[in-house]
Amino acid sequence: QKEVEQDPGPLSVPEGAIVSLNCTYSNSAFQYFMWYRQYSRKGPELLMYTYSSGNKEDGRFTAQVDKSSKYISLFIRDSQPSDSATYLCAMKTDSSYKLIFGSGTRLLVRP
Amino acid sequence: KAGVTQTPRYLIKTRGQQVTLSCSPISGHRSVSWYQQTPGQGLQFLFEYFSETQRNKGNFPGRFSGRQFSNSRSEMNVSTLELGDSALYLCASSSGVGNQETQYFGPGTRLLVL
Repeated sequence: QKEVEQDPGPLSVPEGAIVSLNCTYSNSAFQYFMWYRQYSRKGPELLMYTYSSGNKEDGRFTAQVDKSSKYISLFIRDSQPSDSATYLCAMKTDSSYKLIFGSGTRLLVRP
Repeated sequence: KAGVTQTPRYLIKTRGQQVTLSCSPISGHRSVSWYQQTPGQGLQFLFEYFSETQRNKGNFPGRFSGRQFSNSRSEMNVSTLELGDSALYLCASSSGVGNQETQYFGPGTRLLVL
């Protein structure tokens, strides 16, 4: 079993929809949680970064962490065609710089 | 601030050859991490360097090695290339100080092994 599980999609939604992306994990030592966006043939771009449980909002993006359920989410409001990309969750423990990534969810926002 | 830069962007090699990839971190960042990205395995951690010392290492064979220079620039070397080494190699930089620091990725070097 992988340490981090993420539905690979693809997820296809109409423009303006609310998108929900999720990851589950098994290692209770993970303390830092990140969401990266990766366009085709580009490097991952950091979108959201949260520490421990709770919510964080940045513009149209909201990240949620539920450590009791070992579950993290990224919500995208008013989705745009430019949001079409692969979204990667990543996490790390308190004692290492090693990021553990989910497999990524491919999102397509239809105009 | 300029972002993380990686050279070359694309490489084609044949089995048995070796390759060296280069990464320049964001100015002021002292930690450089390397990741391999493939369709089958996703993003996997190779190693992390801080102040010219390898601080973390992933589960890759010894053919994969790296180093970091005093200016924080890093190189990754893969010897005796195999077809399975075809991947996007990504470099990420962070300040390296404190566990809450995030990592910023470069555009990657796409390696094709024939």
